Amino acid sequence: DQQVKQNSPSLSVQEGRISILNCDYTNSMFDYFLWYKKYPAEGPTFLISISSIKDKNEDGRFTVFLNKSAKHLSLHIVPSQPGDSAVYFCAANDSGANSGYALNFGKGTSLLVTP
Amino acid sequence: DAGVTQSPTHLIKTRGQQVTLRCSPKSGHDTVSWYQQALGQGPQFIFQYYEEEERQRGNFPDRFSGHQFPNYSSELNVNALLLGDSALYLCASSLFGGGLYEQYFGPGTRLTVT
Repeated sequence: DQQVKQNSPSLSVQEGRISILNCDYTNSMFDYFLWYKKYPAEGPTFLISISSIKDKNEDGRFTVFLNKSAKHLSLHIVPSQPGDSAVYFCAANDSGANSGYALNFGKGTSLLVTP
Repeated sequence: DAGVTQSPTHLIKTRGQQVTLRCSPKSGHDTVSWYQQALGQGPQFIFQYYEEEERQRGNFPDRFSGHQFPNYSSELNVNALLLGDSALYLCASSLFGGGLYEQYFGPGTRLTVT
């Protein structure tokens, strides 16, 4: 049962524009969310995270928004650059379940930023 | 400073065989987690090792087992391989008690079962 869903397998955006990647989750016990970026032949790399006590976290060009009532989060990349082209994974954790570092991942969204 | 390393890079095995994958954590890390990423899917948590013990386990059968050594490196063993075990196996290391965002992933081992 997929508890973290990324319903858009791919997204294409022009350089300089905003990229918006979406993620939905079903488990209301999730209280920490992360976005990872993955290039081919490399492992996922941490990008940005957000705790459930916040609704927004910003780091440079990357902003994550969390809507707990809708069980939805989104990653905004502004402005998008060709080097941002990669697969982006949304992941969630339930710290209360003594889950340690067990992350629940979505299937990923492949972002292509065109010049 | 070497990051997380995994070996081998690629592996081809026959159904029914056994396989061992290896992971060396990032320097200073003491916890290792293993994930399976099937084609077109996100990584799925297999288990986590800390202080040479399995601390947490995901929804994987007993055919999947692991080990952590005193130097914190780890092995993932899969017995009685099935075609469905074909996947990218990712190792992630961290410092126990550190933030989730401080978990670093290796490049993975691509296992093909024929």
